Amino acid sequence: QKEVEQDPGPLSVPEGAIVSLNCTYSNSAFQYFMWYRQYSRKGPELLMYTYSSGNKEDGRFTAQVDKSSKYISLFIRDSQPSDSATYLCAMRRSNDYKLSFGAGTTVTVRA
Amino acid sequence: EAGVAQSPRYKIIEKRQSVAFWCNPISGHATLYWYQQILGQGPKLLIQFQNNGVVDDSQLPKDRFSAERLKGVDSTLKIQPAKLEDSAVYLCASSSPGGGYEQYFGPGTRLTVT
Repeated sequence: QKEVEQDPGPLSVPEGAIVSLNCTYSNSAFQYFMWYRQYSRKGPELLMYTYSSGNKEDGRFTAQVDKSSKYISLFIRDSQPSDSATYLCAMRRSNDYKLSFGAGTTVTVRA
Repeated sequence: EAGVAQSPRYKIIEKRQSVAFWCNPISGHATLYWYQQILGQGPKLLIQFQNNGVVDDSQLPKDRFSAERLKGVDSTLKIQPAKLEDSAVYLCASSSPGGGYEQYFGPGTRLTVT
């Protein structure tokens, strides 16, 4: 069993739709949860991070963490073609900078 | 602020050949990471440096992979000899002591082993 599970998709949505992405994990020691966006042939860039359980909103992006269920989500509202990318979830323990990544979900937003 | 630089961007070699990748982190970033990202998978940490010392190399295949960061700034990752399964994107990332969670990634080097 992988430490972090993420549905690879692909996911195709029309412009303006809400995109819902999620990951599950098995290690209860994870405390920091991140979402990275990776455009084709580019390195990942940090999009959102959350410490422990809760919600965090940044513009059109909302990250949710439910530690009791070991489940994290990312929602993209009013999706744009420029949001077309692969979205990677990542997480780590408190005293460890090592990130464990999901496989990534490829999202295409159709104009 | 300049980002993480990597070179070359692309490399094609035959199996059993050797190859080296170079990374220059963001200025002042003490921590440097090398990741391997196989197509369709998330990045996997190969090695982590703090200044010029190795913090974690538990997932580095040491029989063929080596890495160094001699002066605590730029770093090289070498594969010798390469195998077909080494075909992947090799990503370098860096972070600062106060930055904690945020790792800044370079564009990666796409390696194809034929």
